[in-house]
Amino acid sequence: GAGVSQSPSNKVTEKGKDVELRCDPISGHTALYWYRQSLGQGLEFLIYFQGNSAPDKSGLPSDRFSAERTGGSVSTLTIQRTQQEDSAVYLCASSLTGTGHTDTQYFGPGTRLTVL
Amino acid sequence: AQSVTQPDIHITVSEGASLELRCNYSYGATPYLFWYVQSPGQGLQLLLKYFSGDTLVQGIKGFEAEFKRSQSSFNLRKPSVHWSDAAEYFCAVGPYQGGKLIFGQGTELSVKP
Repeated sequence: GAGVSQSPSNKVTEKGKDVELRCDPISGHTALYWYRQSLGQGLEFLIYFQGNSAPDKSGLPSDRFSAERTGGSVSTLTIQRTQQEDSAVYLCASSLTGTGHTDTQYFGPGTRLTVL
Repeated sequence: AQSVTQPDIHITVSEGASLELRCNYSYGATPYLFWYVQSPGQGLQLLLKYFSGDTLVQGIKGFEAEFKRSQSSFNLRKPSVHWSDAAEYFCAVGPYQGGKLIFGQGTELSVKP
């Protein structure tokens, strides 16, 4: 079946604007993760969903960042009042259960966000 | 603190030569270890993973990795590198019960003809 998809693939915005990034996980995967990949910071965890709940949102860098997941499927990461330091590639991953050592995260191609 | 260190930011090897990418981790519980590869403009692809059992694990594309608990290492190896292996490689550690991954900074591999 299809892998994890993300849209848009590229997003250019002006400082201060809000942006929404979308992730469609693999069908049937209950766990969904957001990561951020930026120069100098590497790959950082942002938030984890189990179904529609987010038991771990410890990686969200500020209250400008929020995420939701609806219907146990699609997730949206919203960044309000974007800043230049938000420029990065935002990666989404999904896994079948989110628990257990056999669980494997499958990554999407990412959304490259550029804040001017 | 939980962390992953990949000491080599960039490595260049000749096509056909052997490869070893280093990874050291610090983790308070039983680790679950991964190697992912990222080609330019692509997402992360899982190469292999280790959670228990045989300390030498085989992955896709001819890669293998060896878990050494005493050295807190999980080094990735390939006997003969192909030009198509040029990419960035990430080592990651996660909890045994599943959950978020902690990634190293990545090692960029260049392959010269």
